Amino acid sequence: TQLLEQSPQFLSIQEGENLTVYCNSSSVFSSLQWYRQEPGEGPVLLVTVVTGGEVKKLKRLTFQFGDARKDSSLHITAAQPGDTGLYLCAGRSSNTGKLIFGQGTTLQVKP
Amino acid sequence: KAGVTQTPRYLIKTRGQQVTLSCSPISGHRSVSWYQQTPGQGLQFLFEYFSETQRNKGNFPGRFSGRQFSNSRSEMNVSTLELGDSALYLCASSSSAGGTDTQYFGPGTRLTVL
Repeated sequence: TQLLEQSPQFLSIQEGENLTVYCNSSSVFSSLQWYRQEPGEGPVLLVTVVTGGEVKKLKRLTFQFGDARKDSSLHITAAQPGDTGLYLCAGRSSNTGKLIFGQGTTLQVKP
Repeated sequence: KAGVTQTPRYLIKTRGQQVTLSCSPISGHRSVSWYQQTPGQGLQFLFEYFSETQRNKGNFPGRFSGRQFSNSRSEMNVSTLELGDSALYLCASSSSAGGTDTQYFGPGTRLTVL
């Protein structure tokens, strides 16, 4: 069974701080996605990374896909209260095509 | 374009009952996937339908079933409900099946089993 372990599970920081969320697996994924989910809503796709070593930036968010395509990280610079939410990583299985989600990281940014 | 819609948004059932949830994908999208989200297990894949055919299935018991209609709308059914079936059920649509196309999620149906 392919698993994606996400850490930390919870993060509470002050506005302006930096943070990194990690997503790790022993399995290789054909692509990896990061989502953000707010209460009462479904997840919204932030980014898809496909190539090992790929780095993508979305304003203050930086996403990296590991060289071996088994892990990924999300770094937020100068976090703002509007960044508060549940962040989910999801890997597309090379074998089955299924999308496998990590447990999620609940981020709270205090003003 | 209208987003993915799911009905009902909230549902309360008792153990042993059955339930049907509905999902209308974004217009033009032919792939619909269903997920179960719980605090303990996170988001888990239930199944994916494309052009009325089930293309992929997660590790859930046979009490969980689904179907897709010719207009791409999808329903999922859970029979003989158990307390552990209480969850947020999310539906996502995309234009093609199982690839790198963006999946757009609906707001979910919150099912509570008493």
